[in-house]
Amino acid sequence: AQKVTQAQTEISVVEKEDVTLDCVYETRDTTYYLFWYKQPPSGELVFLIRRNSFDEQNEISGRYSWNFQKSTSSFNFTITASQVVDSAVYFCALFTGGGNKLTFGTGTQLKVEL
Amino acid sequence: EPEVTQTPSHQVTQMGQEVILRCVPISNHLYFYWYRQILGQKVEFLVSFYNNEISEKSEIFDDQFSVERPDGSNFTLKIRSTKLEDSAMYFCASGQGRAYGYTFGSGTRLTVV
Repeated sequence: AQKVTQAQTEISVVEKEDVTLDCVYETRDTTYYLFWYKQPPSGELVFLIRRNSFDEQNEISGRYSWNFQKSTSSFNFTITASQVVDSAVYFCALFTGGGNKLTFGTGTQLKVEL
Repeated sequence: EPEVTQTPSHQVTQMGQEVILRCVPISNHLYFYWYRQILGQKVEFLVSFYNNEISEKSEIFDDQFSVERPDGSNFTLKIRSTKLEDSAMYFCASGQGRAYGYTFGSGTRLTVV
């Protein structure tokens, strides 16, 4: 069975602070894909990144970066110099070859204050 | 940029009534999905649809639920007799292949009273 754990329920930071959102996953499949989605207060799900299990390179996109470590089954997400507009719920999700669906974590509510 | 369109954005219905949630996936996508998010909770898989049939469904997707792709462009989720616990945000998603990034619609908030 697949499982995604986001242990941080809520994080509050002051603008311009860096913040890391943790994601730990469980799967027995050797081929899988990891995703991060952002859900702003308006409710839609915004795709941020997809990473396959064979590519452990870290990725940076502007203020966003992702650290994938297979050894610890983690796919953490860092926002550098956070801004108020980053306030949202962030979901980590797992897709495995054995199923045709995304398994979501419970989400981390990020609040960025002035 | 292509997007998945869901209508209506908000629907209020009485318990026991039938509702149909509508989605227009991205035109060249082959895989279609419905997910549900009860307020404040995580997003849960309901059903996946490929080649005009259900490819996988969750235990949530019982006999009260059905999906259809009636005309090659729309993808609908029907709940035959709504219950209070069906109140949730329902997301449609589509994708080109099993592991490519999915595009989600903006959701339909269903409120059962």
